[in-house]
Amino acid sequence: EAQVTQNPRYLITVTGKKLTVTCSQNMNHEYMSWYRQDPGLGLRQIYYSMNVEVTDKGDVPEGYKVSRKEKRNFPLILESPSPNQTSLYFCASSLSKPAVNYEQYFGPGTRLTVT
Amino acid sequence: SQQGEEDPQALSIQEGENATMNCSYKTSINNLQWYRQNSGRGLVHLILIRSNEREKHSGRLRVTLDTSKKSSSLLITASRAADTASYFCATSAAGGTSYGKLTFGQGTILTVHP
Repeated sequence: EAQVTQNPRYLITVTGKKLTVTCSQNMNHEYMSWYRQDPGLGLRQIYYSMNVEVTDKGDVPEGYKVSRKEKRNFPLILESPSPNQTSLYFCASSLSKPAVNYEQYFGPGTRLTVT
Repeated sequence: SQQGEEDPQALSIQEGENATMNCSYKTSINNLQWYRQNSGRGLVHLILIRSNEREKHSGRLRVTLDTSKKSSSLLITASRAADTASYFCATSAAGGTSYGKLTFGQGTILTVHP
């Protein structure tokens, strides 16, 4: 089944404790992206990747890191999480970049709470 | 600032009625996409309309795009209780270094009463 998977689905952590949220897709998609969703703010793009070893900042990259060493995986790293990073996170992938008119496939989301 | 903004923020209708949601944006676009999100779940792509298209249909969905007004509308005809969800527009801005970005609006919460 074609899908985007994220782990963990739920995470409660403390300020400053490094964490990684994994994202994997099995559709051989070139493009992958991370978003955060907060009430009243919609979805905001954190980072995106056009292909292996190619990543770029979205609208809210501060406090996050990403890597794209393999085509299928695009982990989101919070080196020192803070309470303002409490949010619902979504990973998405598509065949190519949005400008080339491709739809995105979303993972089920990771609900992160930082205390 | 938000590239895509939906209107209304919330819409409540009866089953069988039509639902119309609007999206406005600020810059030139390559395409505009509509997504649906059931409560707390991942987004599901509904329809994509390119900047050179004016109208597109998919089942009970009809999307229009007016690039002169920088706006789009999503019409769901003969709504069902299962259509209850949040609906988001997302834009791919044209030109420059924006080709990798997709900007979402804040969404419209649609409630369809049986």
